[in-house]
Amino acid sequence: EDQVTQSPEALRLQEGESSSLNCSYTVSGLRGLFWYRQDPGKGPEFLFTLYSAGEEKEKERLKATLTKKESFLHITAPKPEDSATYLCAVQEAGANNLFFGTGTRLTVIP
Amino acid sequence: DGGITQSPKYLFRKEGQNVTLSCEQNLNHDAMYWYRQDPGQGLRLIYYSQIVNDFQKGDIAEGYSVSREKKESFPLTVTSAQKNPTAFYLCATQDPGTGYYGYTFGSGTRLTVV
Repeated sequence: EDQVTQSPEALRLQEGESSSLNCSYTVSGLRGLFWYRQDPGKGPEFLFTLYSAGEEKEKERLKATLTKKESFLHITAPKPEDSATYLCAVQEAGANNLFFGTGTRLTVIP
Repeated sequence: DGGITQSPKYLFRKEGQNVTLSCEQNLNHDAMYWYRQDPGQGLRLIYYSQIVNDFQKGDIAEGYSVSREKKESFPLTVTSAQKNPTAFYLCATQDPGTGYYGYTFGSGTRLTVV
């Protein structure tokens, strides 16, 4: 069974066109939810950690939010350099390892 | 400058050949992980180690082997028993002793069967 589902698989935006990426999860107890950015041919780079429903974190044009069933990564006025694959991962209570979604490939067109 | 070094960046394997991917860290993190990444699939866990001289199989361990003789090093061997090894391999570390479970990733090794 899928523990982490990300949507959409791919997203094309015009520069300045705001949007959101979704990460829905099904775990018996959430210890933490993580967002990473991955550029082609490189390792994922950490963005945010969220722990409880209602929590929000921001970094430049990115804002991550968390509910009991899903997380959103909001991108405000994106720029071409925001083009990347965004990965969501969850840590279940009692486990140390993370479970990853398949990612959303974002392309921002100038 | 602390970090994770994966080498080589690109690796080519002939049919029936064993190859070893290197992962070295100077972050002093206890836990280390190996993941495999294929197009359209999420990262899949191969092996992990929480402490020196101990490691556990992940979801797709068949055809792979590891060792953890030093805290800094966690090499992954892709054996001839792995029938579809072409993929992007990522090593990650974690410092659970701090209470924070996020990963730090290396830059990856792309393995291709020729």
